[in-house]
Amino acid sequence: DAKTTQPNSMESNEEEPVHLPCNHSTISGTDYIHWYRQLPSQGPEYVIHGLTSNVNNRMASLAIAEDRKSSTLILHRATLRDAAVYYCILRDGSGATNKLIFGTGTLLAVQP
Amino acid sequence: NAGVTQTPKFRILKIGQSMTLQCTQDMNHNYMYWYRQDPGMGLKLIYYSVGAGITDKGEVPNGYNVSRSTTEDFPLRLELAAPSQTSVYFCASSRDRGTGELFFGEGSRLTVL
Repeated sequence: DAKTTQPNSMESNEEEPVHLPCNHSTISGTDYIHWYRQLPSQGPEYVIHGLTSNVNNRMASLAIAEDRKSSTLILHRATLRDAAVYYCILRDGSGATNKLIFGTGTLLAVQP
Repeated sequence: NAGVTQTPKFRILKIGQSMTLQCTQDMNHNYMYWYRQDPGMGLKLIYYSVGAGITDKGEVPNGYNVSRSTTEDFPLRLELAAPSQTSVYFCASSRDRGTGELFFGEGSRLTVL
């Protein structure tokens, strides 16, 4: 199973952009890059996903490196409600494996 | 839509007791997963299913059993509960592989004393 590596924690100031990195050097051609976040005492929630091209939605942007061995989740203007653990995971689009392994994620602290 | 529903939300068990955590989804999703999350830690995959009648082990399956007799339901059975199984359990589902967004339940907090 392809693994991801993220920093344990990051800090940001409110209203500033946040760039959360994820390394996935063993990614295969059929793996989609997914990001989820988990607010305190809640289940994880979907943020964004992509395959090769950069993606934008109302919550965030996902920048994918050209070789796909790394990606960055971008929160354009952090708010206090964005304080959470952010998980980067790979989902196999071919169905060769359906295990979904979460790493330890990045704990994002947002300072007012 | 209700999404993914887990019951019970809280439960206290004595060592050696057994119980079943229920998970139901109303989105007609084929893929379902059970995770556990210990305090301050990430999620660990216990079991998963890619459709009715098909289940497979995840990272930490020991002490647990699952079944998938219908598309909607994916119960997790704990046999002979142990203190090491004290955790928050999350059920998740998705429509398909790859592009499918994962939907999580609200979690079931289990304490084994």
